[in-house]
Amino acid sequence: KQEVTQIPAALSVPEGENLVLNCSFTDSAIYNLQWFRQDPGKGLTSLLLIQSSQREQTSGRLNASLDKSSGRSTLYIAASQPGDSATYLCAVSLYNFNKFYFGSGTKLNVKP
Amino acid sequence: DTAVSQTPKYLVTQMGNDKSIKCEQNLGHDTMYWYKQDSKKFLKIMFSYNNKELIINETVPNRFSPKSPDKAHLNLHINSLELGDSAVYFCASSLRVAGYGYTFGSGTRLTVV
Repeated sequence: KQEVTQIPAALSVPEGENLVLNCSFTDSAIYNLQWFRQDPGKGLTSLLLIQSSQREQTSGRLNASLDKSSGRSTLYIAASQPGDSATYLCAVSLYNFNKFYFGSGTKLNVKP
Repeated sequence: DTAVSQTPKYLVTQMGNDKSIKCEQNLGHDTMYWYKQDSKKFLKIMFSYNNKELIINETVPNRFSPKSPDKAHLNLHINSLELGDSAVYFCASSLRVAGYGYTFGSGTRLTVV
């Protein structure tokens, strides 16, 4: 059974800081890994999707890395802004399974 | 707007009632899902349909019955609601291969009193 863990559960940083969110998973036979953002009372927004054959993906100030062998992924946010405040969820899918296993998220608060 | 839309956004009901949540996507995706997010914020898959066919059915009580009249719609009917059913239910859709174009609706907050 795939288990996904995210550390830390919550993070508060001043505006402008670079930060790293961590995700670990127990079964390395993943198909892909995706980082989502969830705002209060809203759905999830896909940020970055990394295929199992890839090592990283970048979008603007966001960079996600994947180390399949060690079962880890990190989401790096550069020059954080108050608008980045949200819960960030990591999710992995396994081969032949059309579903995601989610972590419990990291709640990020960026202070002005 | 291209999106996954679900209704209602909020649902408050008494124990024992039967209720339905509707979901529609206009993205042209062929796979749709229902996820449940509990009070600890864990998101767990409940069901997945591909082209109106059930392909994933996790360990969910029989009181929950999904219905997919066509590949753009996936509704969730819940019989005999219990207090423990209180959660946020998310509908999502994607292309057949897991992850591509994965799009979530904004959720339905169900409160059973």
